Amino acid sequence: GDSVTQMEGPVTLSEEAFLTINCTYTATGYPSLFWYVQYPGEGLQLLLKATKADDKGSNKGFEATYRKETTSFHLEKGSVQVSDSAVYFCALSDPYFGNEKLTFGTGTRLTIIP
Amino acid sequence: EAGVAQSPRYKIIEKRQSVAFWCNPISGHATLYWYQQILGQGPKLLIQFQNNGVVDDSQLPKDRFSAERLKGVDSTLKIQPAKLEDSAVYLCASSLDLLSASPSYNEQFFGPGTRLTVL
Repeated sequence: GDSVTQMEGPVTLSEEAFLTINCTYTATGYPSLFWYVQYPGEGLQLLLKATKADDKGSNKGFEATYRKETTSFHLEKGSVQVSDSAVYFCALSDPYFGNEKLTFGTGTRLTIIP
Repeated sequence: EAGVAQSPRYKIIEKRQSVAFWCNPISGHATLYWYQQILGQGPKLLIQFQNNGVVDDSQLPKDRFSAERLKGVDSTLKIQPAKLEDSAVYLCASSLDLLSASPSYNEQFFGPGTRLTVL
């Protein structure tokens, strides 16, 4: 079945550091890929998405590029802020199954130190 | 626009007891999802509704879990009887319409979740 493998956390960085959170996937069809973020005490929010190979999703300074050849969708940000502290989930939706359900990775907890 | 509402936010029960969770999706959203998020893991889909019909319940432990969406709006997820391993956060999400003719992905909007502890 489909699966998502995420970089294990927790990750602790200093403010203004460069961030990379790795994500790779396996899928039956040609999936759409997502990054969701969960801030403390809040629900999951869609951060960015990409629906086909070589697409780049971006939002709030975060970027991720859909790499079909390496089955990856790594999350990056050039300069992190304390407010970026949260749990980040990589996920996919595989149209092969016709129901748009999300398959999630295990999540990566990010803490930014001032 | 109001988001997805869930209640209660927290629930503590003893094993073998019953519990029910309620979800009110965003107005006009035809598709509703229930996910289970065990500590340290990503959310896992339990059941998906399109209006009041079930689209996917392949991961729902039907011997103890049940869910309904009678009028195609609110939904209730029940566990009876609960086991220790049911301790998790139960997330409800909704999206516009799985069967929409739009080729773009129907974004899922998540509620804050219900944290269940089974003792």
